[in-house]
Amino acid sequence: EAGVAQSPRYKIIEKRQSVAFWCNPISGHATLYWYQQILGQGPKLLIQFQNNGVVDDSQLPKDRFSAERLKGVDSTLKIQPAKLEDSAVYLCASSLSVAGANVLTFGAGSRLTVL
Amino acid sequence: QKEVEQNSGPLSVPEGAIASLNCTYSDRVSQSFFWYRQYSGKSPELIMSIYSNGDKEDGRFTAQLNKASQYVSLLIRDSQPSDSATYLCAGGGRDQGGKLIFGQGTELSVKP
Repeated sequence: EAGVAQSPRYKIIEKRQSVAFWCNPISGHATLYWYQQILGQGPKLLIQFQNNGVVDDSQLPKDRFSAERLKGVDSTLKIQPAKLEDSAVYLCASSLSVAGANVLTFGAGSRLTVL
Repeated sequence: QKEVEQNSGPLSVPEGAIASLNCTYSDRVSQSFFWYRQYSGKSPELIMSIYSNGDKEDGRFTAQLNKASQYVSLLIRDSQPSDSATYLCAGGGRDQGGKLIFGQGTELSVKP
């Protein structure tokens, strides 16, 4: 079974520039999550999709972050404009179902450095 | 109170010893808990899940859940240098549709 694919693995940009990250979940996993992990901290959920609908985006900074999952498979997370504090690893995860607490499988992550 | 709280460490144990990692949680978190291991520069990988009060054993790992005291722990027996990593405790939110809420992680160092 192929894992969760993410790209790019690394990205360096200057503040106020934009960046986009892509994620392809495990085949058949209906639920997709984007987490932000700042160095030394645990992952923090940004947005959760069930198929192509948003389940939870309460902690997504909507003035600069956006995410979509148009066909219920792969997803894109965009930051525009980036701030210094956005430097983090952006982890995509997927799971089979929504009911209850799910077992999440993570991708390798996309490390963003904002200068 | 944070929803899921861990001591950040670092926790240092000698090789062969038992490492004990602890986590407390608030009322906002459900009764489903997970331990993930994260090596430096890598993504989290699931070690164990626990849903019921009591102990659950898997090889050298034992997860313990105490709902009355709202804590969950992970014991690693016969610790090896390869166990050196950050251990993340995560709980499923009661009304969160399956998402996991993570603690800040505890860094474990096993010295040869």
